[in-house]
This record gives sequence, structure tokens and C-alpha cells, in this order.
Amino acid sequence: QKEVEQNSGPLSVPEGAIASLNCTYSDRGSQSFFWYRQYSGKSPELIMSIYSNGDKEDGRFTAQLNKASQYVSLLIRDSQPSDSATYLCAVGTDQGGKLIFGQGTELSVKP
Amino acid sequence: GAVVSQHPSRVICKSGTSVKIECRSLDFQATTMFWYRQFPKQSLMLMATSNEGSKATYEQGVEKDKFLINHASLTLSTLTVTSAHPEDSSFYICSPLRGRETQYFGPGTRLLVL
Repeated sequence: QKEVEQNSGPLSVPEGAIASLNCTYSDRGSQSFFWYRQYSGKSPELIMSIYSNGDKEDGRFTAQLNKASQYVSLLIRDSQPSDSATYLCAVGTDQGGKLIFGQGTELSVKP
Repeated sequence: GAVVSQHPSRVICKSGTSVKIECRSLDFQATTMFWYRQFPKQSLMLMATSNEGSKATYEQGVEKDKFLINHASLTLSTLTVTSAHPEDSSFYICSPLRGRETQYFGPGTRLLVL
């Protein structure tokens, strides 16, 4: 059974701090990784995708991938209250675009 | 990104009735559509995968006769919840596949069965 694990949180950080969200996966052969943000009552929206080891930056967001450790993370710099949401980690499979989702980490940014 | 619409956004129905949810991919052609269900405080649960012009593939434990999926065109897929019951109340979200593996989600349909 392929699995994706995330701490459910809630993770609470003060405004302006760096929020670090972590995700581990079980299938060593996984090649594609995604971070989605989901506000309460809304559907998920894609934040970033990452395919190669290392860091990928997009504005205040940085995704980090370490395939040897089977670990992917998302850093949010200068966290804002509007970043408060649940963050879902998803890992691609070799089954026609199917994703395996983690349980999500709830982030709360306090003003 | 991608532009995906779902209709209706919210529906309340009586137990035993059927509800049809439409999902449209507005700015690209989606050969593959995923349908998810999400209960409160839980993660997404994949229900089925549909390919345009083919029968849908259902995940284990999802009744194909209860959740009818039609993917007749590259821009429209529908999910019909037949003979809905209160336990079917959930947030239903479609997700067209763009390219090989990037999924974008529709805004979702909140179903409440009384």
C-alpha cells in the first residue's frame, strides 16, 4: 500500500515567520510531487509541483525534495494570516495521473 | 492554472432522489477526469477515474451503480448520485487531468441529503 504521511497539526506560527510543512512517502519510485492548499469549505488549489531533488522556489513558497530520504517539504516565508489553510501533499503514481494524498496539515498563522 | 467549473455548487435533496453534478473543463480538453469525495476534517478520497468515451474505473468500495459517471466529451463529465441517502452527504470535487499528471480541482459541490 503506497502511503503519504503528513502531520495533521495544527501547526501554529506567528505572522512573518517561516512555516515548514513536511511530508513523507513510501514508494521509492515516485517521481512527481505536489503541494495543494485548501481553505475551509473550498476545493484544493495547486501551489507547486516538484520533480527533481533540491529546492524549487515560487514567490514566498519553496518546495524541497529529497528522494533518498523520501521526503518533501514546503516552506512558506513571511507567513500571513491569509496562509491559514490545510496544506495537502500529493505524490504521483504510474497509474494514469492518479495522485496519492496525505491527510493534510492545518496551518494557522497568528497576527 | 486551469479553469474548471462545477454545477451546482450546493444542493439539498430528499433521501431517495438522484442528484447530477456537472464538471466542465473550460480552458483545456480533459481526456481523464477524477472524481473525489471529501468528508469533514478528512482528506480527499478518490472515487473514480473516467476517460472520455470509456467506462469509468471505480476505486475499491465505491458502488458503480450508485455513482454514475459519464464522460461524453473532453470538456464535460457528470457524476450522478442515485437514490441518495444521508450518508452520501459530502463535498464532491472533480479534477481534470492536464498533461501527464497535473490535476486541477473544480470548486466542488456540497451535497446534503435530508
